[in-house]
Amino acid sequence: EDQVTQSPEALRLQEGESSSLNCSYTVSGLRGLFWYRQDPGKGPEFLFTLYSAGEEKEKERLKATLTKKESFLHITAPKPEDSATYLCAVYTGGFKTIFGAGTRLFVKA
Amino acid sequence: NAGVTQTPKFQVLKTGQSMTLQCAQDMNHEYMSWYRQDPGMGLRLIHYSVGAGITDQGEVPNGYNVSRSTTEDFPLRLLSAAPSQTSVYFCASSSGRVGAPQHFGDGTRLSIL
Repeated sequence: EDQVTQSPEALRLQEGESSSLNCSYTVSGLRGLFWYRQDPGKGPEFLFTLYSAGEEKEKERLKATLTKKESFLHITAPKPEDSATYLCAVYTGGFKTIFGAGTRLFVKA
Repeated sequence: NAGVTQTPKFQVLKTGQSMTLQCAQDMNHEYMSWYRQDPGMGLRLIHYSVGAGITDQGEVPNGYNVSRSTTEDFPLRLLSAAPSQTSVYFCASSSGRVGAPQHFGDGTRLSIL
């Protein structure tokens, strides 16, 4: 059965304290992996798409990487405004996208 | 830039009532979908559409109906509301290009008493 698991469920950081969020997946065929950011009371907002192992994408303090079994979202020197829930989703083809449950990130000033 | 617009933002229903959640997009996207989001779980696909007049079931379709008469609109109907349908509902659209990201509305928070 296709599965996407995100860890940790919640992460509390001090401002400037770098860390990583993990997304591990077991799927029949990866066509793409997405990272989204979701603020409270809002819908998910697209961050990155990764298509193949070894690929990396960066945006401001965020960097996403992909291996054959997992993806990491690295957050460098986070700020309080980076506090949000980060969702990982795996696209396996057709119209099938499997979402993880998300990691809630709290960054304290 | 409206993107994906969902109405209402909040709704409380009694068990057995019916209602329609509205979704409209202004990006001329062919693909539209409805998800529900529950605590501790990933977004789960309810129904989706690949174009006007074409809809199909997702992972959790029971108790819900959809139709797509125009490219812009994709309403979700709850036929007879049940407490298990208490959730946050998100509508999304995408261009349909392989690997294209989805654009989400801000959700409808639905409580069934």
